[in-house]
Amino acid sequence: KAGVTQTPRYLIKTRGQQVTLSCSPISGHRSVSWYQQTPGQGLQFLFEYFSETQRNKGNFPGRFSGRQFSNSRSEMNVSTLELGDSALYLCASSLRPGTDYEQYFGPGTRLTVT
Amino acid sequence: SQQGEEDPQALSIQEGENATMNCSYKTSINNLQWYRQNSGRGLVHLILIRSNEREKHSGRLRVTLDTSKKSSSLLITASRAADTASYFCATDSHGGGADGLTFGKGTHLIIQP
Repeated sequence: KAGVTQTPRYLIKTRGQQVTLSCSPISGHRSVSWYQQTPGQGLQFLFEYFSETQRNKGNFPGRFSGRQFSNSRSEMNVSTLELGDSALYLCASSLRPGTDYEQYFGPGTRLTVT
Repeated sequence: SQQGEEDPQALSIQEGENATMNCSYKTSINNLQWYRQNSGRGLVHLILIRSNEREKHSGRLRVTLDTSKKSSSLLITASRAADTASYFCATDSHGGGADGLTFGKGTHLIIQP
C-alpha cells in the first residue's frame, strides 16, 4: 500500500505571498491531520479533516486554512506568509478521526519564507 | 503548548547498549504514542499504549505507562546504528483528541558504531 504523499517536498516563498500544500492519504484512510514542526515550538497540531469536514483546529491564526476533497486528499493554505511560517509541514492520515488510532505521517513539505 | 516532555533531550550510546527515554505529561489521557523521526523527515509510529495498559512490547521496543505519575518510558534494547533518530511521545487529550496529538520536544538518540 502506498504511504502518505505530500507535495511539494520543498518550497521557498517570499513574505506576503500565499502557499498551498497538498497531502494524499493512504488509500482507505478518511482522516487527515496537519502539523507544523519548527525548532522552537516543536510539533504543533494545525487541523484535522474527516469526510470533508474540519473536526478540530489548533491554535493558529486564520491565515492557516485547509480543506479536504471527496477522495480524502487534503490541502492546506497559508496566506500572507510571515518569516515565522518557515517550518516542516507534516500531514498524517488514519482510518478514523481522533487520536485513538495510529497516525501515518508523510515525508513533509519544508517551507522556507524569505 | 507541549503536553509531553521527553527526557533526556539527547542521548548518545554505543551500539548494542540499551536506550531509555522518558516522557512526562500534564493532563489525563486516553492513550500515549511514541514516534520516531529520522533527520527532518516524517514521523514513524512505534507504539500506542492505552491508559489502562501498563506495559507494551514491539520487537526490541518496550513501553511502560504510569498514569499515577503521568509518565511513560521507551526502552530500545540492543541498539543499532539505524536507531539513530529523534523520538517523540504524543498524547491525546482525555475526551477524544479535540486538539489532535500533543507532542513533546523529543529525545535525540545517537547510536555510536
